[in-house]
Amino acid sequence: QITLKESGPTLVKPTQTLTLTCTFSGFSLSTSGVGVGWIRQPPGKALEWLALIYWNDDKRYSPSLMSRLTITKDTSKNQVVLTLTNMDPVDTATYFCAHLISVATFDYWGQGTLVTVSS
Amino acid sequence: QSALTQPASVSGSPGQSITISCTGTSSDVGNYKYVSWYQQHPGKAPKLMIYEVSNRPSGVPGRFSGSKSGSTASLTISGLQAEDEADYYCSSYTSSSSLYVVFGGGTKLTVL
Repeated sequence: QITLKESGPTLVKPTQTLTLTCTFSGFSLSTSGVGVGWIRQPPGKALEWLALIYWNDDKRYSPSLMSRLTITKDTSKNQVVLTLTNMDPVDTATYFCAHLISVATFDYWGQGTLVTVSS
Repeated sequence: QSALTQPASVSGSPGQSITISCTGTSSDVGNYKYVSWYQQHPGKAPKLMIYEVSNRPSGVPGRFSGSKSGSTASLTISGLQAEDEADYYCSSYTSSSSLYVVFGGGTKLTVL
């Protein structure tokens, strides 16, 4: 059974760096073909893909946020970490991590964590 | 980044069928089979309903089906049920810029 859970701060100030951790179980990020992605959703708005990391440490980033995003993995801890620098109120959103089942396809999602950017 | 285009809302009565469209370009929907559909109830995480245009994950009712014609993908729900009321998002692999996956703007399905 695959599960994922996001953790991190619920409130960050503008210009600060956001660090979110996705802790998962039921699969290994050392297994060929496996990937974990991050997707966010501002309140009342659509989903937006942010980043993806594969078992072989290959990484993909949304071009619009690439300069601010970093995704890393800790295979031994079954965790994926996303950092987003220079936070702005427009970055207020629920952040989800998800398991990649196929190309651009996420079959299991975490419950999401709401991050608010405010001074 | 350009999102896939979906109608903002659709509605139908219980038992009826509805179709939600998802229009992209030759950089995404038009040239790749990696189109997915997600259902999202308020305050919940998205749930994968269709992948690779027309495949249903285990546990998804057969009332949900997907198809594609050119650069437009479609999700059809037949025999509408009250619990189908939710937001639906399409997504596709894209070769545009270095973007990997693009989502649609979402469609609110109301069961009358």
